[in-house]
Amino acid sequence: AQSVTQLGSHVSVSEGALVLLRCNYSSSVPPYLFWYVQYPNQGLQLLLKYTSAATLVKGINGFEAEFKKSETSFHLTKPSAHMSDAAEYFCAVTSNTGNQFYFGTGTSLTVIP
Amino acid sequence: DSGVTQTPKHLITATGQRVTLRCSPRSGDLSVYWYQQSLDQGLQFLIQYYNGEERAKGNILERFSAQQFPDLHSELNLSSLELGDSALYFCASTVSGGAWDEQFFGPGTRLTVL
Repeated sequence: AQSVTQLGSHVSVSEGALVLLRCNYSSSVPPYLFWYVQYPNQGLQLLLKYTSAATLVKGINGFEAEFKKSETSFHLTKPSAHMSDAAEYFCAVTSNTGNQFYFGTGTSLTVIP
Repeated sequence: DSGVTQTPKHLITATGQRVTLRCSPRSGDLSVYWYQQSLDQGLQFLIQYYNGEERAKGNILERFSAQQFPDLHSELNLSSLELGDSALYFCASTVSGGAWDEQFFGPGTRLTVL
């Protein structure tokens, strides 16, 4: 079965600094990978998704992620953090059959002014 | 606002009871997913429906059941509730039910079992 590991349950960055949130999936390549964001007291919102069309995926709000098969990773980055980026971020993958969804445990991002 | 509605927003009940959570998908979406989010288990996929039929099952307990009605709204029934069932329950909807589809999440129902 697929699994997702998000390293670092809490990440703090200064406003304007690089954001790097880590996600690793289990060894078999999942068909699809996603990053979702959850703001306080809200549901999840899709940031971006990988569907094998391109290894570098651009999403909303200036976020992007790179799929690296050799490292089984799908890390999320943003060049310059903004206060409004403070939220919980979840990496998710589908099973190889595409009918199951597995979420990481989430990374809480704090942006320091 | 994702366009997905969930009711009720909060639910407080006792162990052993049964509750029903309701989800209305976005207009035009045919598929509904249910998730449980708790502090110890994280976000777990429970079940997916597409156009009234069950399409995929995740970590859903036997005490839990769901269905999708002809008008496409869905209900998640939780019975013989235990303290550990306290969690935030989300539903999400997609247009076609494909794994590649963006899922639009509702605001969630917070269930507290006392």
